[in-house]
Order: sequence, then structure tokens, then C-alpha cells
Amino acid sequence: GQNIDQPTEMTATEGAIVQINCTYQTSGFNGLFWYQQHAGEAPTFLSYNVLDGLEEKGRFSSFLSRSKGYSYLLLKELQMKDSASYLCAVRDSNYQLIWGAGTKLIIKP
Amino acid sequence: DTEVTQTPKHLVMGMTNKKSLKCEQHMGHRAMYWYKQKAKKPPELMFVYSYEKLSINESVPSRFSPECPNSSLLNLHLHALQPEDSALYLCASSQQGSYSGANVLTFGAGSRLTVL
Repeated sequence: GQNIDQPTEMTATEGAIVQINCTYQTSGFNGLFWYQQHAGEAPTFLSYNVLDGLEEKGRFSSFLSRSKGYSYLLLKELQMKDSASYLCAVRDSNYQLIWGAGTKLIIKP
Repeated sequence: DTEVTQTPKHLVMGMTNKKSLKCEQHMGHRAMYWYKQKAKKPPELMFVYSYEKLSINESVPSRFSPECPNSSLLNLHLHALQPEDSALYLCASSQQGSYSGANVLTFGAGSRLTVL
């Protein structure tokens, strides 16, 4: 079966750095996405990785290792507004998105 | 306009009611999606329309009936729902169908449905 694993919840302090991991087992791989979802709001696109390595976008970076079936989202200089759920999704060989359950990130002052 | 607009934001309906959820985008996207999301669960794909034609139906019960009147609009007609259908229904759009590039999804804020 296809499976995406992420931690259910993480807590971090304002100004700090946090890494949210995502491991996947899917039938094929055609890209990995990270989305942010604030409570009661739309998921919004953060990053896309299709090749191994690090993609940096301001305070957010995303890393992919296809051989390990592993990605992480790195958030630097955390702000209170970063409190949200972070969803990892993998596009499989049929170009269908397989979603993780999301990681709820709580930022404390 | 870079938004996907969903109405209503909240809907409460009885099991015998007929209601509709509406979704609109004006980004020129040619693929539109309905997802269902339960609390603390990942979004589940229900339907995909590509170039106004239904391309994916993920074995969704017939009490959910999608409609794509034109490239900017997507409806989800609801009839004889069950309490377990209560969830957040998310509409999304992307530039084209699944088989190309990043094909990033732009989501609406969702319609929270409660079935009594």
C-alpha cells in the first residue's frame, strides 16, 4: 500500500528552527509537495521537490532524498503566524497525490 | 485574481435535504478538484475535472454528484447524505491535468458540512 508518515504534532519556540520530517512509501514518485494549512483556512503551497537536494525559499527550505523516501521541511526564525498544520504530499506513478495526515506545529512565545 | 472561492463556508443539512456546494476560480486553470477532509486526516480526493470533463471519480457514492458548468465553476450536489459525510469539503484548481510539471494545487478555504 501507499503510505506517508509525518509526526502528528510538534512544538517549537518563537525565533527558533524546526524540522518537520516526512517519509513515504509510494508506487512510483513524481514529486513531493509541502502545503501549509491554518485552522479553518485553505491549504497553501509551500514547496515542490522532484530532484534530490535542498530547495530554499526565504525562511522555509525543503529537502528530498528519493533513495531514502524522505523529505523534511525546515522553518527558520519561527514566528507565531507559523502555527499551522504542514501537509506532505507525494505524486505517485499515476500522477495522483498521496497525502500525509499533516503535522500540527505549535509555536510558543 | 489568485483565489479559489467556495460557498457556503458552513452548511448544516438533514439527511433528506438536497443542497449544493459551489466553487469558482478565475485563474484560467483547466483542472478542478473536490477533496473531502476529516479532522486530523489528510484530504481525500473525490473528483477531478480536466478541461470541463470528469476525469477521475474515486469511487464516491452517488449521493455526491459533481458538475462543471464551465471552466471557472465547479459544483458538488448533495442528496440523502449520511452523518458520516460531515467534513470539510475543499475545492482546488491547477493549471492543467495531473500529467505535467509541478501542477500546484490552489485550494479554496473549504465548505464545512454538518449532516444531522
